Amino acid sequence: ETGVTQTPRHLVMGMTNKKSLKCEQHLGHNAMYWYKQSAKKPLELMFVYSLEERVENNSVPSRFSPECPNSSHLFLHLHTLQPEDSALYLCASSQDRGNRPSGYTFGSGTRLTVV
Amino acid sequence: QKEVEQDPGPLSVPEGAIVSLNCTYSNSAFQYFMWYRQYSRKGPELLMYTYSSGNKEDGRFTAQVDKSSKYISLFIRDSQPSDSATYLCAMSPTGANNLFFGTGTRLTVIP
Repeated sequence: ETGVTQTPRHLVMGMTNKKSLKCEQHLGHNAMYWYKQSAKKPLELMFVYSLEERVENNSVPSRFSPECPNSSHLFLHLHTLQPEDSALYLCASSQDRGNRPSGYTFGSGTRLTVV
Repeated sequence: QKEVEQDPGPLSVPEGAIVSLNCTYSNSAFQYFMWYRQYSRKGPELLMYTYSSGNKEDGRFTAQVDKSSKYISLFIRDSQPSDSATYLCAMSPTGANNLFFGTGTRLTVIP
């Protein structure tokens, strides 16, 4: 498999559930990201991992918890979510070159609905 | 004020038309500019990548950057129904690996 793979593609969860989103990249990149995409809003950066170290946590509520066990895998653990957390969650990877940003490769996303 | 402004559309054009998509931005530190295309039920894919001011052409696509006006454009010539998608602009300052995105413009090319 190539590129960035996200599972599951769709997820419906109640507000008291705990679930996890999974992302895997097969590109040999050294940086991975979680973004939230809501209708009529820009992509919101949630977390950045570079060389498996979290380098950015963009004021995300603690009900979202990321985990990066190695450079190829990224998880987003979810618990006690709110209906306004319903959105498309996108994982991306890139090759961090220091000074010069590189384009991201995105997965197809997980469509999350909180009921 | 948002860092990046982009008209969400929707924009409908007939097949063969020239399409112009635009973004404005406020942060003069932005040096790298990208356009992503996102088909329905898919993630964004990188379409064009430019550094600083100037033009870049790739097939039917041309990206323009005017840093003095803080304005970037994507032109699509001879538009095709397969170009129907949402187009997102993104930009970044030097030394950062974070991208700042526009809201995206939804384009439909009618056969």
